[in-house]
Amino acid sequence: AQSVTQPDIHITVSEGASLELRCNYSYGATPYLFWYVQSPGQGLQLLLKYFSGDTLVQGIKGFEAEFKRSQSSFNLRKPSVHWSDAAEYFCAVGAGSGGYNKLIFGAGTRLAVHP
Amino acid sequence: DAGVIQSPRHEVTEMGQEVTLRCKPISGHNSLFWYRQTMMRGLELLIYFNNNVPIDDSGMPEDRFSAKMPNASFSTLKIQPSEPRDSAVYFCASTISGQGLRYGYTFGSGTRLTVV
Repeated sequence: AQSVTQPDIHITVSEGASLELRCNYSYGATPYLFWYVQSPGQGLQLLLKYFSGDTLVQGIKGFEAEFKRSQSSFNLRKPSVHWSDAAEYFCAVGAGSGGYNKLIFGAGTRLAVHP
Repeated sequence: DAGVIQSPRHEVTEMGQEVTLRCKPISGHNSLFWYRQTMMRGLELLIYFNNNVPIDDSGMPEDRFSAKMPNASFSTLKIQPSEPRDSAVYFCASTISGQGLRYGYTFGSGTRLTVV
């Protein structure tokens, strides 16, 4: 069965520091992978996605993620974190075929940013 | 585009009462999803509609929950009777059928339900 694991529940970084959020997935075929961000009291916003091609994908707000098939990982990175990046981040894998598809989400990683 | 619109944003109700949550998907999107988010269980897919037809309701927790999509622009999630353990944030999301895996979903801002 498809699943997503985000090993870190909470992460705290200082403003200006680099960031890496981990995501591991379990899926038999080539996965469709996503990162979403949720600010407090808000819905989920798509940061970036991967479904084929270049394994390093760029997203909004200066985020990027790298797909590593050998490690079943899709880690999210940002070289310099801003205070406004404090939020909860969700990794998701797309599953299904024949027009029926669904996103399976990880448990999320809550990011705190210290000034 | 106004995005996925959910109402109400917040709902407080007493145990045993009926609760109806509403969702208007993005115009042109023909797949609609209801998710529930709690601290304990994270984001759970409750039900999925394609072209107004329920495709997978295996995530609906029990018979107290029901969902309908009478037309392409409106869906409801109803809980009757409500219980305190139903307290959660309920999200609606939409996409274009067959493209959801390529482009992801667009989420609404959610309805925070509190059952006291």
